[in-house]
Amino acid sequence: EVQLVESGGGLVKPGGSLRLSCAASGFTFSSYSMNWVRQAPGKGLEWVSSISSSSSYIYYADSVKGRFTISRDNAKNSLYLQMNSLRAEDTAVYYCAISDSNSHFDYWGQGTLVTVSS
Amino acid sequence: AIRMTQSPSSFSASTGDRVTITCRASQGISSYLAWYQQKPGKAPKLLIYAASTLQSGVPSRFSGSGSGTDFTLTISCLQSEDFATYYCQQYYSYPITFGQGTRLEIK
Repeated sequence: EVQLVESGGGLVKPGGSLRLSCAASGFTFSSYSMNWVRQAPGKGLEWVSSISSSSSYIYYADSVKGRFTISRDNAKNSLYLQMNSLRAEDTAVYYCAISDSNSHFDYWGQGTLVTVSS
Repeated sequence: AIRMTQSPSSFSASTGDRVTITCRASQGISSYLAWYQQKPGKAPKLLIYAASTLQSGVPSRFSGSGSGTDFTLTISCLQSEDFATYYCQQYYSYPITFGQGTRLEIK
């Protein structure tokens, strides 16, 4: 059974940093692209970032480019999102999701809430 | 970026109804279109990909169609568990974009 478990969310002040993790199990992690998608309270889904299976290809939304860094450790079956220079508008539930290369998102984690507030 | 526009944004329907949600892309995306269902407090769930391919385990009352710029999600006979918010997503090119969502409520 595919499982994706996000962690690392919490309350952080504007300008602060946070590192999210996504622990994967139930599939061959190193064979799939991984993605982060966020959802602000009461709002729709916003794609944040994607990373290919071998980390060769990385993409970011303009809204986070230069502030967020996606990475993965295939030996640990884990995905990460380093978030720096956080803003109030980054407040959201952050989901990790798996996909084939440049494809739809097959499975999603349960999400972790990031709140940016002073 | 490719803009995805869903209609309607919300509507009410009754159990047993046939409902259709539309999604329009601002430029052609071939069939690189997925539909997701999201219930309150839960993660999105993949329903359909490649515009018309039903994800394993998804009831056959869900169907998708379209290509290019215009797409539809149809639920043939609404069940109580289908009341949720539905999103379309294009994965033709980065940045990946979602529609704004369609909230389906009980009449």
